Amino acid sequence: AQSVSQHNHHVILSEAASLELGCNYSYGGTVNLFWYVQYPGQHLQLLLKYFSGDPLVKGIKGFEAEFIKSKFSFNLRKPSVQWSDTAEYFCAVQGSGGYNKLIFGAGTRLAVHP
Amino acid sequence: SQTIHQWPATLVQPVGSPLSLECTVEGTSNPNLYWYRQAAGRGLQLLFYSVGIGQISSEVPQNLSASRPQDRQFILSSKKLLLSDSGFYLCACHRTSGYPYEQYFGPGTRLTVT
Repeated sequence: AQSVSQHNHHVILSEAASLELGCNYSYGGTVNLFWYVQYPGQHLQLLLKYFSGDPLVKGIKGFEAEFIKSKFSFNLRKPSVQWSDTAEYFCAVQGSGGYNKLIFGAGTRLAVHP
Repeated sequence: SQTIHQWPATLVQPVGSPLSLECTVEGTSNPNLYWYRQAAGRGLQLLFYSVGIGQISSEVPQNLSASRPQDRQFILSSKKLLLSDSGFYLCACHRTSGYPYEQYFGPGTRLTVT
């Protein structure tokens, strides 16, 4: 069955610390991959996406993610977090047919302390 | 770009009462539309999706139903609410012309069944 696993449910960091959030997926075929972010009180919004090409993708606000096909992983990274990065982060996978629905992970709540 | 409106923003309903949540989309035609339920620590669960007027697919058996009476209108309903229907409901869309197909989300409706 298709699924997405996010390893950390809660992460607490101090400002300027580095961030890596894990995401592994199970899907029988070529995939598109996404990270969404939900800031407190705001809409769920797209952080970055991977469809093809360079497996290292860059998104908004200094975030990046690396697609490692052999590991079925799409980990999110940021070299130095800020207090404003406090949010919930969701990894999602989509079959590469384009239309196919998104399968979401359970989410990771990140709290950044000043 | 697409804009998604949802109302009401919050709703408190007694068990056994009916439900109607509305979602409307601006900025695109013939979108695919989705209803998700978001529960803490469980990510986003896809409830329904629609590829066109009157076309509804259900992902999970439940007490809810969906309808799409117009191209950019998507309604989530129930005849009799259960306590377990409480949650945060998100409407999403993606355009069907031109790759990629990331989904855009509305602000959500928080439903409390008492």
